[in-house]
Amino acid sequence: EPEVTQTPSHQVTQMGQEVILRCVPISNHLYFYWYRQILGQKVEFLVSFYNNEISEKSEIFDDQFSVERPDGSNFTLKIRSTKLEDSAMYFCASRPRTSGSYEQYFGPGTRLTVT
Amino acid sequence: GQSLEQPSEVTAVEGAIVQINCTYQTSGFYGLSWYQQHDGGAPTFLSYNALDGLEETGRFSSFLSRSDSYGYLLLQELQMKDSASYFCAVRDGNFNKFYFGSGTKLNVKP
Repeated sequence: EPEVTQTPSHQVTQMGQEVILRCVPISNHLYFYWYRQILGQKVEFLVSFYNNEISEKSEIFDDQFSVERPDGSNFTLKIRSTKLEDSAMYFCASRPRTSGSYEQYFGPGTRLTVT
Repeated sequence: GQSLEQPSEVTAVEGAIVQINCTYQTSGFYGLSWYQQHDGGAPTFLSYNALDGLEETGRFSSFLSRSDSYGYLLLQELQMKDSASYFCAVRDGNFNKFYFGSGTKLNVKP
């Protein structure tokens, strides 16, 4: 069964460094998302992406964040200058256009630790 | 703004029925989803309600009342593997933005 994959599974970085989190959505899906989840807390929407551009973003998604779909398969989230409070699990998700249930398929996540 | 309220924790015994409630306040509303998340895992989709009423999928059912801004997830014949966190999520007025509740931790005991 097709699944969303994410790399790396765990990233440790120093405050102020740039990180790129990578995702490979399911191949025939058209909508892509990034979420984050601070340990023990709720899943927070960051950004959605459709037709090669951002369709929605949250207040969390400020100028430090950017997303790209550099080729037909990868979907990346870049944090330019990480802060301690960026430490969280980052989930990528995708969904097909035809899903009347708006079911999102989540990847296993990347745990980002900022020291 | 958006707000979703769920109980933080629920405990039930194996074989029982449990209901997890979700009330929401949103500027626009297009549908309510439910996701399951085991510790250390990714959220997995359970159900979606766009219209009022009950949707049944096996042991899980989900209900929506748009006039009351309220929904619930009903889990029947509880199994130990149902121990997990359950999140409700609303699809905002704009079609591609989703807000999650804080989650309900379900503990299933033998």
